[in-house]
Formats: sequence, C-alpha cells, structure tokens
Amino acid sequence: AQSVTQLGSHVSVSEGALVLLRCNYSSSVPPYLFWYVQYPNQGLQLLLKYTTGATLVKGINGFEAEFKKSETSFHLTKPSAHMSDAAEYFCAVTRGTGGFKTIFGAGTRLFVKA
Amino acid sequence: DTAVSQTPKYLVTQMGNDKSIKCEQNLGHDTMYWYKQDSKKFLKIMFSYNNKELIINETVPNRFSPKSPDKAHLNLHINSLELGDSAVYFCASSQQHNEQFFGPGTRLTVL
Repeated sequence: AQSVTQLGSHVSVSEGALVLLRCNYSSSVPPYLFWYVQYPNQGLQLLLKYTTGATLVKGINGFEAEFKKSETSFHLTKPSAHMSDAAEYFCAVTRGTGGFKTIFGAGTRLFVKA
Repeated sequence: DTAVSQTPKYLVTQMGNDKSIKCEQNLGHDTMYWYKQDSKKFLKIMFSYNNKELIINETVPNRFSPKSPDKAHLNLHINSLELGDSAVYFCASSQQHNEQFFGPGTRLTVL
C-alpha cells in the first residue's frame, strides 16, 4: 500500500526566506511523485513531478524537489519566497507501473509574511 | 480554452434533494476522477474511470453514482443529499498514471 505524509499542516516564512515543505512517502514499487499547488477557490495545479531519471526536479515558479529513495522523501523547496506563493501544497504518490490511484497528502498551508 | 471544466461552480440545495455535477475534459485523456475536498482541505478520491470503465470505487455511499458517457465526460449524481455531503467536489483527468489536471471545483452546500 502507498501512503504520503506531509510534515506540518501550516508553514510560515518571511518574504525572501527559504521555503521547505516536507513530504515522506511509502511505496512497495518505484513511485511517481508529484507536488501540486492550490490557490484559494481554485483547483490543484501541478508544480513538478518525478517519474524516473534525475532525482532533482525543477518545476514552475522557481520550485524544485529532490527524490531521495534512501530517505523515502520528496521535499519541496524554493530559495526565496514571494507573497504570491501563499497557497495550499499537496504531495502525491502513484505507482510507477500500472494502477491509477494517486494518494494525496493532507496538504501544507504556506503563509508568507511581508 | 478550459482543459477541465465543471458545472455548476456553486450548488446550494436542501437536504433530501438529488443533484448532478458535470465534468468535461478536452485534453484527450483516458482517465477521469472525482475527488471530495472537505473543509480541512483533505482530498479524498471517490471514483475513477479509464476509457469509460470504472476502475476505482472507494468507500462512498451508494447515493453517489458516477456516469461516463464517453472518455471526455464524467458526471456525478448524488441522491438524497445530506448535510455531510457539503464540500468542494473536484473533477480531474490524466493520461494513465501521469499528472492530473483538475477542474475549478464545485462547491456544494446542503442546507
């Protein structure tokens, strides 16, 4: 069975500070991993994804994440937070081969202080 | 052009009523989903269709019935609405297990 744990339901950073949102997963097969962002009153949109290959993946809006198999982690980072980054962030995992069920984490709300 | 669209955006109704939410995607994807997002933002998969075939049917009351007339459409019908059904319902689509594209959501309020 697969699962996703996002550490911290709320994260607050100052504008210009490093953003670090944590995600740990469990999967018995090679996973596909995703980060999605949800702005208020909108649907989720993809930030970035890891399928195979390079473990450091870059996404939109300056975000990146690193797949660390040994730590079963896929943490999301951004060097310098902008006010516009304030949103809900979801980590998700799906099986790499076969299967269509994606498991989403509980979400982390990012607050950015001026 | 909207990739995944849902109608209506807002739905306010009385307990006991029956309502439907429609979803359409123009991305040519073969898989579509319905999710329920509660007030704490928790996202729960309800159903998934692949090429019009039901492949995921989570523990959802049988008052909820999905219908997929073709690959581009997945509708959700809810009978005998209850207060606990109030939530935001999202439709999404994907090409097999790749990233999902979400609709804007339907906010359902049951009074």
